[in-house]
Amino acid sequence: TQLLEQSPQFLSIQEGENLTVYCNSSSVFSSLQWYRQEPGEGPVLLVTVVTGGEVKKLKRLTFQFGDARKDSSLHITAAQPGDTGLYLCAGASGYSTLTFGKGTMLLVSP
Amino acid sequence: DTGVSQNPRHKITKRGQNVTFRCDPISEHNRLYWYRQTLGQGPEFLTYFQNEAQLEKSRLLSDRFSAERPKGSFSTLEIQRTEQGDSAMYLCASSSFSSGFFYNEQFFGPGTRLTVL
Repeated sequence: TQLLEQSPQFLSIQEGENLTVYCNSSSVFSSLQWYRQEPGEGPVLLVTVVTGGEVKKLKRLTFQFGDARKDSSLHITAAQPGDTGLYLCAGASGYSTLTFGKGTMLLVSP
Repeated sequence: DTGVSQNPRHKITKRGQNVTFRCDPISEHNRLYWYRQTLGQGPEFLTYFQNEAQLEKSRLLSDRFSAERPKGSFSTLEIQRTEQGDSAMYLCASSSFSSGFFYNEQFFGPGTRLTVL
């Protein structure tokens, strides 16, 4: 069974602070996705990383895929209240399903 | 809006009743997935279809659960004889699969929140 561990589980910060959340596994994934989910809604895809060592930027969000394709990180610069939500990472192996982590709940206060 | 839609958004039922949920995927997507999510957890895979064929089912999918995608478009998930442990958010996602590059990017609907009393 492939497991994805996310840390921290919960993060509460002030507007303007920087933060990093992590997604780790002992398994190799062919691709890894990051999603953000708001209460009562479905996850929204933020980014897909495929190549080991890959870095992708989405405005203030920077995503990195580990060299061995077993781990990933999400860094947010100058967090804003609109960034509040549950951040989920999901790994894909082959053409089948996604394995999700439990998520990091981020709360950004004004 | 051409995203994934799910109906109903909320369902409250009594233990022992049957419920059915519907998912309409993004129109050009040939794969459709069902997940279940409980509080404090990430989504857990239940089953998926490629066109009308159900290709994989999780061990989580007990014999009280059945899913169909009869014409390769919308899908239904039925739960028979509901139990309180079935209370969860049921999520549907779709993706476009073809031979060659496939990163399994899945696009989710808003979910159906089931409460079993």
